[in-house]
Amino acid sequence: GAVVSQHPSWVICKSGTSVKIECRSLDFQATTMFWYRQFPKQSLMLMATSNEGSKATYEQGVEKDKFLINHASLTLSTLTVTSAHPEDSSFYICSASVMGQGATDTQYFGPGTRLTVL
Amino acid sequence: QKEVEQDPGPLSVPEGAIVSLNCTYSNSAFQYFMWYRQYSRKGPELLMYTYSSGNKEDGRFTAQVDKSSKYISLFIRDSQPSDSATYLCAMTPYGGSQGNLIFGKGTKLSVKP
Repeated sequence: GAVVSQHPSWVICKSGTSVKIECRSLDFQATTMFWYRQFPKQSLMLMATSNEGSKATYEQGVEKDKFLINHASLTLSTLTVTSAHPEDSSFYICSASVMGQGATDTQYFGPGTRLTVL
Repeated sequence: QKEVEQDPGPLSVPEGAIVSLNCTYSNSAFQYFMWYRQYSRKGPELLMYTYSSGNKEDGRFTAQVDKSSKYISLFIRDSQPSDSATYLCAMTPYGGSQGNLIFGKGTKLSVKP
């Protein structure tokens, strides 16, 4: 149980284009979804937190107009990197959690999406 | 000083060895501590979750938290080649489900057959 998927697993795009990454909780309804970014040999850094039907909350230093997050349902969140540039090349990982009585107090991570911007 | 410090390794051990992985932290507000395992090009997988100080054991894995020293450890007994991965510590002042996870850089472990 508690499986989170991401699509695509890797993407290569040209500078200036936009890329959409999907994050799905396959066997549970996620109260909250999170988006992280991981540069080589660096820690995972939280970019934003999103709740279904609400606007995402972005961490300091993350441009909300560049990284558009849409949390359409309790099982789907999307991250769109707009006008991507080479410095946006990174490993993007989503996670999902369930709040409430009886829920396991943890986040379940997706397999990640490797973005390379040429 | 970074909030969470973790020796990136790499750490190489023979099969069957006991492995000790550690993190130190500076924020005394951290209450929840986690260890994740991450295989290459994959997302992190939760291994251990502890609250406050003390020990927790799960199979070959033991997590220790010493809040007075701001130091956490993960021990792996009878290490196997399949344990070869990067191990990330993470911590938060709030519950583990609520974001705000602060991760270490990860320690890359290689277990040789």
